[in-house]
Amino acid sequence: GAGVSQSPSNKVTEKGKDVELRCDPISGHTALYWYRQSLGQGLEFLIYFQGNSAPDKSGLPSDRFSAERTGGSVSTLTIQRTQQEDSAVYLCASSLEPPQYEKLFFGSGTQLSVL
Amino acid sequence: SQKIEQNSEALNIQEGKTATLTCNYTNYSPAYLQWYRQDPGRGPVFLLLIRENEKEKRKERLKVTFDTTLKQSLFHITASQPADSATYLCALLNQAGTALIFGKGTTLSVSS
Repeated sequence: GAGVSQSPSNKVTEKGKDVELRCDPISGHTALYWYRQSLGQGLEFLIYFQGNSAPDKSGLPSDRFSAERTGGSVSTLTIQRTQQEDSAVYLCASSLEPPQYEKLFFGSGTQLSVL
Repeated sequence: SQKIEQNSEALNIQEGKTATLTCNYTNYSPAYLQWYRQDPGRGPVFLLLIRENEKEKRKERLKVTFDTTLKQSLFHITASQPADSATYLCALLNQAGTALIFGKGTTLSVSS
């Protein structure tokens, strides 16, 4: 596609439920990143994929968070047993090559609200 | 620990003036620094990248400086317009070289 696509754009869920957030990166981009942006906070790095592997998942806040990437393309971020503090905008970005000297292209994000 | 600080959360200026935003960092030795623009409800959009051996970089009405001794980058928008109103983020590569780490951003408001 022309840009990074994320779905859904909005997700409202009840505390304790599991959610899946999807990211379609720009075609041909080998690197994919997930970030989280809470109200009034900066972008918080979650995980980096190179191809289908995740060399850096140090930003995942707890073991309730997991992510996978298949076919070197689509990625899914899964949050199990959601908590209210998980409410945030989850942003996906991709780049043509690994991060050195590469600019990131971001999607518009998924606004997650946990009630 | 590594830290990126954009020390103005909000900046209000009049149309036509120059906006200057500051990005300071500690415990980094960056090879480059990037600036992004974020509008409400959207993801950040890349604006400029400046390398450690570049003192200054320009793109249209934008100018970025990078002082590795002061550990600071300045981002200037000349002849500002209301359409420049947005949040501006600076970013550095983390020590592992795996991801960009972003400052919290400065929200610029340009009034006509």
